[in-house]
This record gives sequence, C-alpha cells and structure tokens, in this order.
Amino acid sequence: DTAVSQTPKYLVTQMGNDKSIKCEQNLGHDTMYWYKQDSKKFLKIMFSYNNKELIINETVPNRFSPKSPDKAHLNLHINSLELGDSAVYFCASSLWTDTNTEAFFGQGTRLTVV
Amino acid sequence: AQSVTQPDIHITVSEGASLELRCNYSYGATPYLFWYVQSPGQGLQLLLKYFSGDTLVQGIKGFEAEFKRSQSSFNLRKPSVHWSDAAEYFCAVGARFEDDMRFGAGTRLTVKP
Repeated sequence: DTAVSQTPKYLVTQMGNDKSIKCEQNLGHDTMYWYKQDSKKFLKIMFSYNNKELIINETVPNRFSPKSPDKAHLNLHINSLELGDSAVYFCASSLWTDTNTEAFFGQGTRLTVV
Repeated sequence: AQSVTQPDIHITVSEGASLELRCNYSYGATPYLFWYVQSPGQGLQLLLKYFSGDTLVQGIKGFEAEFKRSQSSFNLRKPSVHWSDAAEYFCAVGARFEDDMRFGAGTRLTVKP
C-alpha cells in the first residue's frame, strides 16, 4: 500500500563513492521530485520531472543526476560523493490537475558520507 | 518566484495551550498553500491545504489554517496542543503545472508537560 517508497532508508558510504537512491510511486502521478533536507531541516527542491521529462533543475552540482525510466520511477544517482552531500533526501510525487495539487512524500533516505 | 517565510525557528508551548505557527509567502498569483508535519525520523505528512474558496481551512489532527491575502499569510492554529504534536512543521507554496512547491525553513514545536 506504500504510496511513495524510497530505497534505501539509510545509506552510509565513503567519500568519492558513487551511489543511487531509488524512488517509486504507485499513485498514478505524473510529476516526481527530489528534495534535500539539510541538518537544519531546510527542504530544498533539487529536481522535478513531469511525464519523464526534466522540468526543474535547481542549482545542484552535476554530480547529481536524476533518471526517470518511466512515470512511476525517479532515481537519483550521485557521483563522487562529498561530505557535504550528507543529508536526508526525500522523493515526492504529485498529480497536477485543475483543481487539486498535492505532493506525497516518501519516508526519506538518510545519506551519511564519511 | 515564490518563496515562503516561517519567522519562528522554534516554539515551545505547554500541553493544552493554544498554538499558532506563522507562515508568510510571496507569490505573484493566487498561491496553493500547504502545511506539512514531520515527526522525528519520519517523512512529511500533509496537514491541510488551501487552493480557493473558504479562507479558513480545516485539516487533520485538529489543525486549521487561515489564508489572509492582504497579509500574505497562512498561519496554522490548534486550540489545544497534545504532547504528540511535537514535531517540525513546514509551510509550502506551489503553483499549477509549471512550478514546484517551495518550502519554508520549518518551525520546530516542543510541547511541555
């Protein structure tokens, strides 16, 4: 029944490694997002995909690359991880209609770079 | 571009007391406004949302929020706080079709016994 699921929930890795976080939604939504929540709890949009096309790409290092194989999935790949990448990453999805728009969030992936 | 300001980083209230969390937004058109709650170690849960119509919106867990266009505010209220309400609260603004949601920095709520 999970609406938006992210894996893994926790990820500890060394600097310089490459890692991926997966996100899947079973809500039939057409828009998916990645947010980064820093240690001060500030949530910042990173990417937004609509119907598998990138529509928002905030100022994010190009080490971060989103991949959307279909409307239900939006994965985040990170190359050459740095200490500053440590954060909680949230995936979300929404369906943009005339009368309703609401984002559903996954439980988050806590990434720790050591 | 839209933005959201939550002026209070941390608020402490006694259990049973009333609560008001402030949110101010900046947006050129009619905004879509949201309040989310994040409990420790958990994801975000939607409390309530405003799109149009009645400016007083009722949400889950006894929360309500009032949209005041003249003040560009969407403050969250609860008449009587419970210990389980201790969490981080985020206000967010969004737009249709071409834009995403922008979140405020969050307000951490502590509830004293």
